[in-house]
Amino acid sequence: EAGVVQSPRYKIIEKKQPVAFWCNPISGHNTLYWYRQNLGQGPELLIRYENEEAVDDSQLPKDRFSAERLKGVDSTLKIQPAELGDSAVYLCASSLVPGAGGYTFGSGTRLTVV
Amino acid sequence: KQEVTQIPAALSVPEGENLVLNCSFTDSAIYNLQWFRQDPGKGLTSLLLIQSSQREQTSGRLNASLDKSSGRSTLYIAASQPGDSATYLCAVGANAGKSTFGDGTTLTVKP
Repeated sequence: EAGVVQSPRYKIIEKKQPVAFWCNPISGHNTLYWYRQNLGQGPELLIRYENEEAVDDSQLPKDRFSAERLKGVDSTLKIQPAELGDSAVYLCASSLVPGAGGYTFGSGTRLTVV
Repeated sequence: KQEVTQIPAALSVPEGENLVLNCSFTDSAIYNLQWFRQDPGKGLTSLLLIQSSQREQTSGRLNASLDKSSGRSTLYIAASQPGDSATYLCAVGANAGKSTFGDGTTLTVKP
């Protein structure tokens, strides 16, 4: 079974530029999460999807961040414009049932904004 | 708001030693608790998942316990090996689908 696939693995951009991250969850996993992890800290939830519906986006900085999950499968997280403080690892995770089965994480995208 | 603390932030032990990693949380009304391992530059790998109705889970040399009343979970690693060196994080599920992560304990096992 393929795991959670994320791309790209690394991204370096200049501030004020746009950037997008892509995630393909485990087949059949209805719940998809985007997390941000700063160096030396645990992941923090940005947005959670149940199928194609965003059910928790309270921590998503909506002035510059957006996300979509068309057809309830893969998802894209976008930042526009990027700021220096956005440098972090962006992790995607999925689960079969919300919380019950636990999470499976992708390898993440390491973003560096210069 | 759930707060999750992992102490110590870093731990160094000689190979072969048994060790315990700690995770404490402030709200005992949890749904589940999951332990993860994270290698440098990698994503999180699930180690053990404990549902709120369970007291412990075991997998190989790993044993995780849960005490909701005291707001604590421990991860026991038996006969540690250099390959166990990584950062270990716990995630506390307060309700279905919403979890709070600790900042992790970075373990170094010296040969």
